[in-house]
Amino acid sequence: SQQGEEDPQALSIQEGENATMNCSYKTSINNLQWYRQNSGRGLVHLILIRSNEREKHSGRLRVTLDTSKKSSSLLITASRAADTASYFCATDATSGTYKYIFGTGTRLKVLA
Amino acid sequence: NAGVTQTPKFQVLKTGQSMTLQCAQDMNHEYMSWYRQDPGMGLRLIHYSVGAGITDQGEVPNGYNVSRSTTEDFPLRLLSAAPSQTSVYFCASRTTSAAYEQYFGPGTRLTVT
Repeated sequence: SQQGEEDPQALSIQEGENATMNCSYKTSINNLQWYRQNSGRGLVHLILIRSNEREKHSGRLRVTLDTSKKSSSLLITASRAADTASYFCATDATSGTYKYIFGTGTRLKVLA
Repeated sequence: NAGVTQTPKFQVLKTGQSMTLQCAQDMNHEYMSWYRQDPGMGLRLIHYSVGAGITDQGEVPNGYNVSRSTTEDFPLRLLSAAPSQTSVYFCASRTTSAAYEQYFGPGTRLTVT
């Protein structure tokens, strides 16, 4: 079964608005990563947050992690049409292994 | 650096045929993995390797075989293709140091008829 589940499954916003997507996972983790996938392409790493961190920023991206609720959120501020993509969270499935398990993704559409 | 490369980009197979999807990386990464992506299912881990000669199963290993004879290459073999294996396949690599990103290849779109 999938380790991570994102919601919403799909999100449509206007350019300039903020986009928030959430990820919930089932077991303890060492870190959580967010990836972007443009249509028909491979995944690109966006940001990583360790289990002992609560918030991290990278440019227009802000990621939070709540290990007590086993959840993370990705906020994209001032969205652009180029942000249109699918976004996935990935967690290391079992502490101490190298396996990363991906969630089902959020499809973001930014309207110009 | 070419990063992670995959061949072929597209493939059509008949049920029962076998084939090998190729994956190579030039970043000297110890860890390599194969995922399949189906609509609405996200990415599911098929097999992974933490170094030459070491492989292990992921979430959905049945029907697939892997080997890792060199650090650079990690081929995925479909033993007897089935329509349920129609999917997009991604190879990824990273170091085994904790908390490092995975680098993904461009994918292979496989159709089994």
